[in-house]
Amino acid sequence: DTAVSQTPKYLVTQMGNDKSIKCEQNLGHDTMYWYKQDSKKFLKIMFSYNNKELIINETVPNRFSPKSPDKAHLNLHINSLELGDSAVYFCASSQRGLAIEQFFGPGTRLTVL
Amino acid sequence: SQQGEEDPQALSIQEGENATMNCSYKTSINNLQWYRQNSGRGLVHLILIRSNEREKHSGRLRVTLDTSKKSSSLLITASRAADTASYFCATDRPDNNNDMRFGAGTRLTVKP
Repeated sequence: DTAVSQTPKYLVTQMGNDKSIKCEQNLGHDTMYWYKQDSKKFLKIMFSYNNKELIINETVPNRFSPKSPDKAHLNLHINSLELGDSAVYFCASSQRGLAIEQFFGPGTRLTVL
Repeated sequence: SQQGEEDPQALSIQEGENATMNCSYKTSINNLQWYRQNSGRGLVHLILIRSNEREKHSGRLRVTLDTSKKSSSLLITASRAADTASYFCATDRPDNNNDMRFGAGTRLTVKP
């Protein structure tokens, strides 16, 4: 009965590889997000999708490409991984409206060697 | 860009004491939220305060909002060791309340 789930939980890979992180929410929400949390714990929004449409796209390298096959899923694909991509990536979801509580997944710790 | 900035960065107190964390932000908001993050876990929503509210309570939590100073505080009363976590404030944008911006958080340690 997990609300927002992410896979994998840990990802260790070499520089230059391509990897994907998957996110699914079973809350019936219409908006999903990807955040990056660096080693200093800053949580930065990367992307937001509403009903499969991209609504927030922060200044992230175009090596990062979100894909939303349906409104319950938002996957993150990263090409040509770099050392600086090492971080914890969080998926979140919310329902558009006046009270925007976001529900977060458990995070994916990405380590690029 | 980051919006909320929490202060202090770290706070260490004894069980039973009160913990106060502050958040400052730069632009107008509709809502301000506080979240908690246990080590190695995702963030969990604690409380939301709207821009037309000044104070809100939820159990041992008390949140205040001063829009003239663009600041908020989170008070945890009678702290417990289980309150040990990082606490983040998040603010939205007047034109998009789905766009939440977080700070770096306050790391709270409650010693038993």
